[in-house]
Amino acid sequence: AQTVTQSQPEMSVQEAETVTLSCTYDTSENNYYLFWYKQPPSRQMILVIRQEAYKQQNATENRFSVNFQKAAKSFSLKISDSQLGDTAMYFCAFIPYNTDKLIFGTGTRLQVFP
Amino acid sequence: DGGITQSPKYLFRKEGQNVTLSCEQNLNHDAMYWYRQDPGQGLRLIYYSQIVNDFQKGDIAEGYSVSREKKESFPLTVTSAQKNPTAFYLCASSRQPGNSGANVLTFGAGSRLTVL
Repeated sequence: AQTVTQSQPEMSVQEAETVTLSCTYDTSENNYYLFWYKQPPSRQMILVIRQEAYKQQNATENRFSVNFQKAAKSFSLKISDSQLGDTAMYFCAFIPYNTDKLIFGTGTRLQVFP
Repeated sequence: DGGITQSPKYLFRKEGQNVTLSCEQNLNHDAMYWYRQDPGQGLRLIYYSQIVNDFQKGDIAEGYSVSREKKESFPLTVTSAQKNPTAFYLCASSRQPGNSGANVLTFGAGSRLTVL
């Protein structure tokens, strides 16, 4: 079975600091996509960043970057210069090529303190 | 502005009643999805549709039904057969089915269903 594991139910970080959220996944597929989604208190899911498995280069979107380790099946999210607006649930998700089933982890609740 | 509209935002239902959650998109997306979100369990796929008049069961389809009569609309009915329907329901869409990793999901704002 394909699964996504987020082992940190809750994390906190001070404003302007850096925090890393962990995600591991289990699959026998070789080609797939990985995502991080953010769900703020409004509960609107927003895409943060996306990584294609065949690309060795880690994806970056402004203050958000990933550390993708394909052999270890690890996909962590680093948030630099944390802002109060980063307070949210963060979900890691995985989808093999040519399928329609996005598989989500259980989420990490991140609190950014002033 | 293009997006996904879910209604109602909050809904209360008595046990034994069916209820329908609305999902409308004006993004011209082909594929639409329904997810259920429970605390500590992430999002689980209920049903999805790749094209009008066709849909497939997800991982937790029991007690739910859907229809896709129009490209823009994908309503979800929570039936009395669903044993634990209290949850947050999210609708999503993507541009093309079959290669959804390349076509990012766009989500609605969700509907919170509470069974009294």
